[in-house]
Amino acid sequence: EVQLVESGGDLLQPGGSLRLSCAASGFTFDSYTMIWVRQAPGKGLEWVSSITSTGFTIYYADSVKGRFTISRDNAKNSLYLQMNSLRAEDTAVYYCVRDSGDYGDFWGQGTLVTVSS
Amino acid sequence: SYVLTQPPSVSVAPGKTARITCGGDNIASKSVHWYQQKAGQAPVLVIYYNRDRPSGIPVRFSGSNSGNTATLTISRVEAGDEADFYCQVWDSSSDHVVFGGGTKLTVL
Repeated sequence: EVQLVESGGDLLQPGGSLRLSCAASGFTFDSYTMIWVRQAPGKGLEWVSSITSTGFTIYYADSVKGRFTISRDNAKNSLYLQMNSLRAEDTAVYYCVRDSGDYGDFWGQGTLVTVSS
Repeated sequence: SYVLTQPPSVSVAPGKTARITCGGDNIASKSVHWYQQKAGQAPVLVIYYNRDRPSGIPVRFSGSNSGNTATLTISRVEAGDEADFYCQVWDSSSDHVVFGGGTKLTVL
């Protein structure tokens, strides 16, 4: 059974930093591109970042480029999102998603990041 | 960047057919994927590559893509289908994943 479990969400002040993690199981992790998608409270889905199976190719949404860093550790079956210079508009539930060909076939339950003073 | 446009809401009576549209410039040249998100839950893939259904998704869910509009069709709508629905494409010109704004399906 495919499982994606996010962790690391927290309440923090603007300008702060946070690292999200996603533990994957039930599939061959190093064969898949992985992505982060976020959803602000009461809003729609917003793609954040993608990383290919080897980690060699990475893409970011314009809204987070230069502030967020996606990475993965295939030996640990884990995906990460380092978030710096956080803003109030980064407040959202962050989902870890398996990409099976430009679409997300499995989603985690999400972890909540709240940025507020 | 590429933009996907969805109606904010669609309402349908039980047993009828719901059609949710997703508009984009020459969207027929792209593969469109659809997600259902029920209240308080993570999204679930219901259609991929325009018209394919993942295992476990009822045949009542179908998709099409032509011209500037992709459509998710839900036949014989049930109360349990009430949810937010999102379309999504990969925009190769910007290397970005793009989501539509979402459509709230209300079952009357």
